Amino acid sequence: QKEVEQNSGPLSVPEGAIASLNCTYSDRGSQSFFWYRQYSGKSPELIMFIYSNGDKEDGRFTAQLNKASQYVSLLIRDSQPSDSATYLCAVTDNNNDMRFGAGTRLTVKP
Amino acid sequence: EPEVTQTPSHQVTQMGQEVILRCVPISNHLYFYWYRQILGQKVEFLVSFYNNEISEKSEIFDDQFSVERPDGSNFTLKIRSTKLEDSAMYFCASNRVTEAFFGQGTRLTVV
Repeated sequence: QKEVEQNSGPLSVPEGAIASLNCTYSDRGSQSFFWYRQYSGKSPELIMFIYSNGDKEDGRFTAQLNKASQYVSLLIRDSQPSDSATYLCAVTDNNNDMRFGAGTRLTVKP
Repeated sequence: EPEVTQTPSHQVTQMGQEVILRCVPISNHLYFYWYRQILGQKVEFLVSFYNNEISEKSEIFDDQFSVERPDGSNFTLKIRSTKLEDSAMYFCASNRVTEAFFGQGTRLTVV
């Protein structure tokens, strides 16, 4: 069973703060790692992806990957109320099959 | 910008009836997926499809489910005899190599 685990939250941060979202995965053969954002009643939309160990930055978002620890995280700097959503961690294996975590619900309070 | 489209957006069906959910993936994509999300729960993998055959399926994807790519553009999910617990949002996704793009989903309600 290929598991992707996330803290379901809710995670609440004040506007302007850094939100930190964490994810662990069980399959050591996992190839690619993705963060999706899902607003209530909507489909998941891609925020960013990472393949290699280390950090990857895109605007206010930074993804961090540590394959040895089987851990991937997402940092959101200068959090805005519009960032309030459920954040889904997704992992693909070498067959390109994608599995999702349960998601972490983030609330950014003005 | 190319997108994955799904029809219908909402379907209501009686228990025991067959339903077909339709998806048009992005045209140059190679991998196709169906996911399900029961209200308030996680996105669950159902099946992946590559090179005109099922690549992998989850334990949810039992004999009541089937997928087809009948004409090179559509990708369908059929549920043969729907149960109440099949009520969920069904998402189709496709990708070429890397990130998957999702359709807007079909909300299936079984009554």
